[in-house]
Amino acid sequence: SQTIHQWPATLVQPVGSPLSLECTVEGTSNPNLYWYRQAAGRGLQLLFYSVGIGQISSEVPQNLSASRPQDRQFILSSKKLLLSDSGFYLCAWDSYQETQYFGPGTRLLVL
Amino acid sequence: KQEVTQIPAALSVPEGENLVLNCSFTDSAIYNLQWFRQDPGKGLTSLLLIQSSQREQTSGRLNASLDKSSGRSTLYIAASQPGDSATYLCAVGDGAAGNKLTFGGGTRVLVKP
Repeated sequence: SQTIHQWPATLVQPVGSPLSLECTVEGTSNPNLYWYRQAAGRGLQLLFYSVGIGQISSEVPQNLSASRPQDRQFILSSKKLLLSDSGFYLCAWDSYQETQYFGPGTRLLVL
Repeated sequence: KQEVTQIPAALSVPEGENLVLNCSFTDSAIYNLQWFRQDPGKGLTSLLLIQSSQREQTSGRLNASLDKSSGRSTLYIAASQPGDSATYLCAVGDGAAGNKLTFGGGTRVLVKP
C-alpha cells in the first residue's frame, strides 16, 4: 500500500532563517506530487506541483521554491522566511489524475 | 480562474440527522471533484472522487452528487454520528499536467450527541 511521509511535524523558525520541508511517498512509482499551504482564514492553496523528476511548476509567486531530486521525494525550501510563510504545509500525491492522497502536514510558525 | 465556494461555513446538527453539504464552482470545465475530511491539526482524508462524466458516487453512509452544468456538488452523510464532526472540503481538479485542485473554504460540522 502507498504511504506518504512529511517531516518535521512542527517547526518554529525566526524571520529570515532558511527552510527545508521534506515529503516522501512509498509504494508507487512516478507519482504527481503537490505542495499546498493552509493558512488561517485563507483556505488551502496549491503552491507547487511536479509531474516528474526535476519538473517543477509554481502556482503562486513567493519566496518559496520546490525541488524533486528523486522520483518519490519532494522538498519545499526557502532562503529567508517571512512572517507570512507561517501555516500548515501539506504534501500530496496522485497517479493518473485520480484520488489525491495527503500527508500528515507540517505546521510552521515564523516568529 | 476557478473559484469554489462551500456554504454554510459551519453546521451543527443533533446525532442521527442527515447532513447535506454544498459545494459550488464557477467553471464547469472540470476533470473531477473530490470530497475530503479534515480533523483538527491533521492532513486531509479522501472521502469520494467523482469523475466529470459521473452523476454520483457512494461509499457507505456517504453519497456525493455532481451537476457539472450548474456547477454544483452535494455531499450527503446519512444518520450522522459524533465521529462525523470535522471540516469537510470539496476540491475540483483540472486534469491538466497532473490534477491541480482548487479547494473550497470548507464546512465545519459538529454532530452533537
